Amino acid sequence: GENVEQHPSTLSVQEGDSAVIKCTYSDSASNYFPWYKQELGKGPQLIIDIRSNVGEKKDQRIAVTLNKTAKHFSLHITETQPEDSAVYFCASRGGSYIPTFGRGTSLIVHP
Amino acid sequence: DSGVTQTPKHLITATGQRVTLRCSPRSGDLSVYWYQQSLDQGLQFLIQYYNGEERAKGNILERFSAQQFPDLHSELNLSSLELGDSALYFCASSVAGGEGETQYFGPGTRLLVL
Repeated sequence: GENVEQHPSTLSVQEGDSAVIKCTYSDSASNYFPWYKQELGKGPQLIIDIRSNVGEKKDQRIAVTLNKTAKHFSLHITETQPEDSAVYFCASRGGSYIPTFGRGTSLIVHP
Repeated sequence: DSGVTQTPKHLITATGQRVTLRCSPRSGDLSVYWYQQSLDQGLQFLIQYYNGEERAKGNILERFSAQQFPDLHSELNLSSLELGDSALYFCASSVAGGEGETQYFGPGTRLLVL
C-alpha cells in the first residue's frame, strides 16, 4: 500500500518567517495530494490541495509544490503568523479511494 | 465549520463496554469515512460508506463496526473496549467518495477507556 513520509515532525519559526513541510509518497498511481491543518481540539481542515497534472498551486500565503518524478510534495507558508500554529498533515490519494496521511508536523510560530 | 457534525464530543467508559459514535455528513455528501487518531499511530483510516453501502475498509478491528443509514448519517460501534482504543475518532464526508475528492472532517469524538 501507499506510504507517506512527512518531515519535520516539529517546526519552530519566528513570526514573519517562512515554513516548509515536506512529504514523500511511494505509490506512483497517486494523483491527489491534500494538506490539512489541525488546531488543538478540532478536526483536520483542508487548507490546500494539488492534483497530479499541476506542479504548483498558491492560495494567498500558502503554496504547494509537487514533483511527480521524485514523488514528493511540499507545503510552503510565507509570512507566518501565530495563528498558523497547528499540526499540519499531508496526504496522498490515488489507486484506492482512501488517502494515506503523513504523521503530521507541529508548527509553532513565535510572536 | 466543515458542516460535518459528530456526537458525542467526549466519551468516558470502562474496558469491556460498548459505545456508539454518531456522524452527520455535510448536506449533499453521500460518502462518509471514519478515522482513528492516536498519538502513536497518527490518523488511521477505518472504513468508508457510500450511500448506505460499505465501499472500503482499512485498519478496522473486528470489534468495531459501522453503518450508514438511509438519511446518510453514520454510526461507528466499538465493542469490548480496551485501554488501547482510547483515541480521537473522526468522521469525514465527501460528495461521492471518488478519487481526488475533498474530504471534510468533523470535530471528532474523544474516547477515553478506563
